[in-house]
Amino acid sequence: GQNIDQPTEMTATEGAIVQINCTYQTSGFNGLFWYQQHAGEAPTFLSYNVLDGLEEKGRFSSFLSRSKGYSYLLLKELQMKDSASYLCAALDSNYQLIWGAGTKLIIKP
Amino acid sequence: IAGITQAPTSQILAAGRRMTLRCTQDMRHNAMYWYRQDLGLGLRLIHYSNTAGTTGKGEVPDGYSVSRANTDDFPLTLASAVPSQTSVYFCASSQEGSSYNEQFFGPGTRLTVL
Repeated sequence: GQNIDQPTEMTATEGAIVQINCTYQTSGFNGLFWYQQHAGEAPTFLSYNVLDGLEEKGRFSSFLSRSKGYSYLLLKELQMKDSASYLCAALDSNYQLIWGAGTKLIIKP
Repeated sequence: IAGITQAPTSQILAAGRRMTLRCTQDMRHNAMYWYRQDLGLGLRLIHYSNTAGTTGKGEVPDGYSVSRANTDDFPLTLASAVPSQTSVYFCASSQEGSSYNEQFFGPGTRLTVL
C-alpha cells in the first residue's frame, strides 16, 4: 500500500532550528511536496523536490533521498508565525498526491 | 475573484439531505481536485478533473459526485449525506493534472452531518 509517515507533533523554541522528517512508500514516485497549513486555513505550497539533495528557499530548506524514501523540512530562525501544521505529500506514478497526516509544530517563546 | 473560492464556508446538514459544495477558480487552471481532511488523517482525494469535461475517482469517491462543465467550476455533490461525511472539504487546482505542478487550495468548507 501507499503510506506517508511523519511525526504527529513537535515543539521548538523561537529562534531555533527544527527538522521535520517524512518517510514515504508509494507505487511509483514523481516528487515530494511540503505544504504549510495554519489552523483553520488552507494548505499553502512550500517546496517540491524530485531529485536527491537539498533545496534552500530562505529560512526553509527541503531535502530528499529517493533511495531511502525519506525527506525532511528544515526551518531556521523560527518565528512564532511558523506555528502551523506541515504536510508531506508524495506524487505517485499516477501523478496523484498521497498525503501524510501532518506534523503540528508548536513554537514557544 | 482571486484564486479559488468555496461556498458555503460552513454548513450543518441533516442526514439524508442532498448538498452541493461549490468551487470556482479564476486562474484558468486545467486541473481541479476535491479533498476531505479529517483529524489525524491526511488529505484524501475524493474526485479530480484533469480538464473540463473529464472527471476521475480518487481514494474515497463513494457517496460523492462531481461535474466539470467548464474550466472554472467544479461542484461536489453529496446525494444523501451521512454522518461519516462530516469533514472539512478543500477544493484545489493546478495548472495541469498528471504533473508536478503545485496545487492551490480554496479556504475550505466545514460540513457537519447530523
